[in-house]
Amino acid sequence: AQSVTQPDIHITVSEGASLELRCNYSYGATPYLFWYVQSPGQGLQLLLKYFSGDTLVQGIKGFEAEFKRSQSSFNLRKPSVHWSDAAEYFCAVDFGNEKLTFGTGTRLTIIP
Amino acid sequence: DAGVTQSPTHLIKTRGQQVTLRCSPKSGHDTVSWYQQALGQGPQFIFQYYEEEERQRGNFPDRFSGHQFPNYSSELNVNALLLGDSALYLCASSKDRGYEQYFGPGTRLTVT
Repeated sequence: AQSVTQPDIHITVSEGASLELRCNYSYGATPYLFWYVQSPGQGLQLLLKYFSGDTLVQGIKGFEAEFKRSQSSFNLRKPSVHWSDAAEYFCAVDFGNEKLTFGTGTRLTIIP
Repeated sequence: DAGVTQSPTHLIKTRGQQVTLRCSPKSGHDTVSWYQQALGQGPQFIFQYYEEEERQRGNFPDRFSGHQFPNYSSELNVNALLLGDSALYLCASSKDRGYEQYFGPGTRLTVT
């Protein structure tokens, strides 16, 4: 079955520290990969996407993600987090069927 | 350039009632997808509309139905509401059934 796993339900980091959020998916071929961010009570904002090509992709707000085919992973990173980055982060995958399958999300808390 | 808009923002209904949610896609987009996001979960795909037809459907009962109008806007209808239908309903639009979906702010439905 096609599935997306975000193993970390909740992550707490200090402001200014680096961040890595994990995402793994189940599938054989290379799917289309996305990271979205959701602030409380809000919709989803697209941070970045991977379709093909360079496996390191840059997004908005200083985020980047790296696709690793051998590990079926698409981890999100940021070198230095800001208090405004506190939110819920969702990894989403299009397995070639034009609909998104989401992970369960990772809630990010920033401490001063 | 207006993004995806949804109405209403919040809605409270009683079990057994029917509800209609509305979505206007981002300018230039012709495909609308609907997702249900239960509390603490990732969004789940309900269905997708393109050229005024339902193109594909997720694992949701027939109580969930939709429509797309010639101007690409869309409605989601839910009949015979259950308590478990309480959720945030998200609309996403894309171009030419493309892979990059942009989300609206959502409609929060509470069923009592």
